Amino acid sequence: DVKVTQSSRYLVKRTGEKVFLECVQDMDHENMFWYRQDPGLGLRLIYFSYDVKMKEKGDIPEGYSVSREKKERFSLILESASTNQTSMYLCASTVAGAYNEQFFGPGTRLTVL
Amino acid sequence: QKEVEQDPGPLSVPEGAIVSLNCTYSNSAFQYFMWYRQYSRKGPELLMYTYSSGNKEDGRFTAQVDKSSKYISLFIRDSQPSDSATYLCALRGSGGSYIPTFGRGTSLIVHP
Repeated sequence: DVKVTQSSRYLVKRTGEKVFLECVQDMDHENMFWYRQDPGLGLRLIYFSYDVKMKEKGDIPEGYSVSREKKERFSLILESASTNQTSMYLCASTVAGAYNEQFFGPGTRLTVL
Repeated sequence: QKEVEQDPGPLSVPEGAIVSLNCTYSNSAFQYFMWYRQYSRKGPELLMYTYSSGNKEDGRFTAQVDKSSKYISLFIRDSQPSDSATYLCALRGSGGSYIPTFGRGTSLIVHP
């Protein structure tokens, strides 16, 4: 059974804090993605990675960075959290070259106060 | 204009109804058309995808693509309360434009 897990389901942080969101997949997938999902705006791509230590900016990378030191793990970092980063964060993974089916984690609901 | 437009709903129907969910798009380079279902407090999961134009059927679900009109649809026959979820369309091109672009999602409520 394929699985993408995210470190927290709910997270509350304060403005200015450094926040780490972790994602782990057990499918040996090459590609991993971070999205945020907001009402009325849908899913927006923040960053993706097609290999270890490789990363590409998505549509809304400002205020975020990522790290992929191991194939199975992709981390999203908010260097200095702000209230407008309150959102649902979704991680996904796919096999190399197979972008039609992304496997998503359950999401992390982040609230920044 | 967004690349992919999808009415957020909610769409409320009685059990057993035929449901039609739709997306329109502006980028003629899109070649692959996906439908994801997302239950509350869960991540999206792929329902089905089609390549180029035409229909594809899977059980009670039919995906339809009209590239000339830049319009895609997902039909659900004999809808069930368990179909209540948000349905997201996702479209992508080939080659360099391989990352899908998602619609906002349509919330569907099927009441008994």
